[in-house]
This record gives sequence, structure tokens and C-alpha cells, in this order.
Amino acid sequence: NAGVTQTPKFQVLKTGQSMTLQCAQDMNHNSMYWYRQDPGMGLRLIYYSASEGTTDKGEVPNGYNVSRLNKREFSLRLESAAPSQTSVYFCASSPNSGSGYFGPGTRLTVT
Amino acid sequence: SQQGEEDPQALSIQEGENATMNCSYKTSINNLQWYRQNSGRGLVHLILIRSNEREKHSGRLRVTLDTSKKSSSLLITASRAADTASYFCATGPFFSGGYNKLIFGAGTRLAVHP
Repeated sequence: NAGVTQTPKFQVLKTGQSMTLQCAQDMNHNSMYWYRQDPGMGLRLIYYSASEGTTDKGEVPNGYNVSRLNKREFSLRLESAAPSQTSVYFCASSPNSGSGYFGPGTRLTVT
Repeated sequence: SQQGEEDPQALSIQEGENATMNCSYKTSINNLQWYRQNSGRGLVHLILIRSNEREKHSGRLRVTLDTSKKSSSLLITASRAADTASYFCATGPFFSGGYNKLIFGAGTRLAVHP
């Protein structure tokens, strides 16, 4: 039982490049989330998915797209990376109205 | 925004002392959760309290919830150096679908000195 896994752990991009962050959970949770955390800050919700096939915007969705591939996987895509997207990205999952389980994070630097 | 706001932003105490952190939020919630984050790591869930509960305990942790004041507190008793971390509250707003959209506050940075 691996919980929530994220890949990659670290990534450096140049401005304008694109990339996809992968997330998978093996706990059969319906809800999945993508957050970003900037230094000294809390987590801000980018997108979430209440169930397979549905996605909704969070607080800071601009510049990102998501895909809920199946119940296990929820990916986050940066189409044209900008320095303002330098951050640590966390994926999480939860059962309905339950506690969140977080992945270890992806440290992204955009130069 | 339904973001919770923690208070204080930073707290420094000695080992053995109690640490109290507060969280305020803005709208009706389904539940409120507290998390811990060690430096450079992911978040670890500590405790969940539902909107119809007033107090919950887990080991050295005690959480209270006052829905009339839209506030919660986390008490860590007999703190240890290993409790040094950032602590976040997250609110799970009520939706008819019954799922969570966890919204986090900025956190309280706790430093426990030996």
C-alpha cells in the first residue's frame, strides 16, 4: 500500500516549456487534489476532482490543466511554464468528507 | 475564500510546555482537519473534527471546535522537540455531494526548544 505517489520529485523547466506532474493513489479514494505551496505559505488549491471524470477549479487554476484519468490517477499539466509557477506541488486524495492523504511533493523550478 | 487562518503565525516554546494554535474560518463547514508538516516534507493528517463535535482527543493532541465562532484550536500537551513543525488547519466546506474541498490556512510554525 504505497498511499499517494508523485512523479517527478524534482524538475527544472525553462520558461515556456511544458510538463505533466503525475499522481496516483491506491486507497480507492473518490476525491483527489492538486495544491501548490510557496515558501512560508500555506497550500493553495489548484484543481480538484470529486470523482472519476469530474474536475473543478480551485483557488489558483490559471496556467494549469488537469486530467482525472481513472479513479487512481490525477495529473497536472503546465502548458507553458512561467517563473511564477516555481513552487512545491502536492497531490492529495481523500474519501468523501474524510481526511486528506498527501504525496511527498514535486519541487518545480522555472527559470 | 473559505480559507482558514491560523494564529499565531509562529510560536516558540520549551520542551514540556503546552502549545496552543488557533484557526478561524469564514463559512459553514462539514469538518475541520489539522495537519503537520515537517520542513521540506508532505503534510501528515493529525485529527479531523466534524461540525457536530465540540472536542476531540488523540494522544497528546486536543482539538476543539466552536461553530458559532467559526474557530478551532489545537492543543499539544507536554511538547517535545520532535513536535517542531508547521501546523495547518483545513476546512472541508459542506457540499450537497458530500465531498471535501480542503482549503488550507497559512499555518503556524512551532519551534520546541530542548
